[in-house]
Amino acid sequence: AQSVTQPDIHITVSEGASLELRCNYSYGATPYLFWYVQSPGQGLQLLLKYFSGDTLVQGIKGFEAEFKRSQSSFNLRKPSVHWSDAAEYFCAVAGNTGNQFYFGTGTSLTVIP
Amino acid sequence: GAGVSQSPRYKVAKRGQDVALRCDPISGHVSLFWYQQALGQGPEFLTYFQNEAQLDKSGLPSDRFFAERPEGSVSTLKIQRTQQEDSAVYLCASSSKGYSNQPQHFGDGTRLSIL
Repeated sequence: AQSVTQPDIHITVSEGASLELRCNYSYGATPYLFWYVQSPGQGLQLLLKYFSGDTLVQGIKGFEAEFKRSQSSFNLRKPSVHWSDAAEYFCAVAGNTGNQFYFGTGTSLTVIP
Repeated sequence: GAGVSQSPRYKVAKRGQDVALRCDPISGHVSLFWYQQALGQGPEFLTYFQNEAQLDKSGLPSDRFFAERPEGSVSTLKIQRTQQEDSAVYLCASSSKGYSNQPQHFGDGTRLSIL
């Protein structure tokens, strides 16, 4: 069965520092992978997605993620974090045989001025 | 509107009451999903519609939960005889096609509190 693990419940970084949020997935075939961001009281906004091809994908707001099949990972990165990036980040996997998205439990990001 | 619209934004009900949550997806979107998000957790799948057909309802936690999308656009999630454990944020999402690799566009959710 598909599943997603986000090992870090909460991360704190200084503004301007680099960021990496970890995501590991479990899926038997090539997965469809997504990162979403959720601000308090809001719905989820898509940051980026991976379907196939280039394993480094670029998203909105300066985020990127790299798909590593050997490690079953899809980590999210940003070279320089802004205070407005403080939010909850969710990794999700979807299989190509169904329509369910499986979300991780999320990583809460705090940005220190 | 341009995005997925959910109403009400907040709902407070007494245990045992019935509630109805509405989702208005992006116009023309084929697929519609309902998720339940407990505090501090990621969204968990409840049910999926392709147009008016409910193709997957495996995530509905009990027979007290019922969803419909009679005309293939607006959807309603109904919870009968609410229990305290039903308290959560209910998210609706839509996507343009019927494939699982299509990004889902989320509404802001309905926060349901059962007293």
